Amino acid sequence: NAGVTQTPKFRVLKTGQSMTLLCAQDMNHEYMYWYRQDPGMGLRLIHYSVGEGTTAKGEVPDGYNVSRLKKQNFLLGLESAAPSQTSVYFCASSNSGRAPNNEQFFGPGTRLTVL
Amino acid sequence: KNEVEQSPQNLTAQEGEFITINCSYSVGISALHWLQQHPGGGIVSLFMLSSGKKKHGRLIATINIQEKHSSLHITASHPRDSAVYICAVQIQGAQKLVFGQGTRLTINP
Repeated sequence: NAGVTQTPKFRVLKTGQSMTLLCAQDMNHEYMYWYRQDPGMGLRLIHYSVGEGTTAKGEVPDGYNVSRLKKQNFLLGLESAAPSQTSVYFCASSNSGRAPNNEQFFGPGTRLTVL
Repeated sequence: KNEVEQSPQNLTAQEGEFITINCSYSVGISALHWLQQHPGGGIVSLFMLSSGKKKHGRLIATINIQEKHSSLHITASHPRDSAVYICAVQIQGAQKLVFGQGTRLTINP
């Protein structure tokens, strides 16, 4: 099993450009999450999904959109990238949102730089 | 004030030393997680606990629900333990985790 994969691993954008980050999991997990990690700050939740076809806002959703058309995939979109969105993005998945089945499995991360 | 506070933020120790990393939280929780982030960036889950103590190899995690405090201990530390250790809590009734800022641990040979 590959677990949780993310593409791409690195990307450099210019301000105003758009892009989509893809997260895929092969563990048949219901829940999927997108986080961003910035220096000196903990992981912050951008958006999450509790099942195929559902999405919900997290702590820092502005400037991002998501879609969960297939259970195994969770896409994060930036419509008009800004330098403030320079960050490392992590995707995670879990079997449930509640203990004891909410151990989260993380992807390797995507390092995004917006110039 | 953050809901999850970790201390220390940075810790440097010599190989073989006993390590303690602390996590305090200010909300009611249903579970607490400890995660490890390697220098290469990958994040793995170490423990999930809601009471008492768990042990895996040289790692021990404890939680005191009444005091809203958890500790992660590493016995006989080794340079390969060098990583960022992250505490995260699941707030009661919520389906998301809230993360601490992490503790950067460096073990020198």
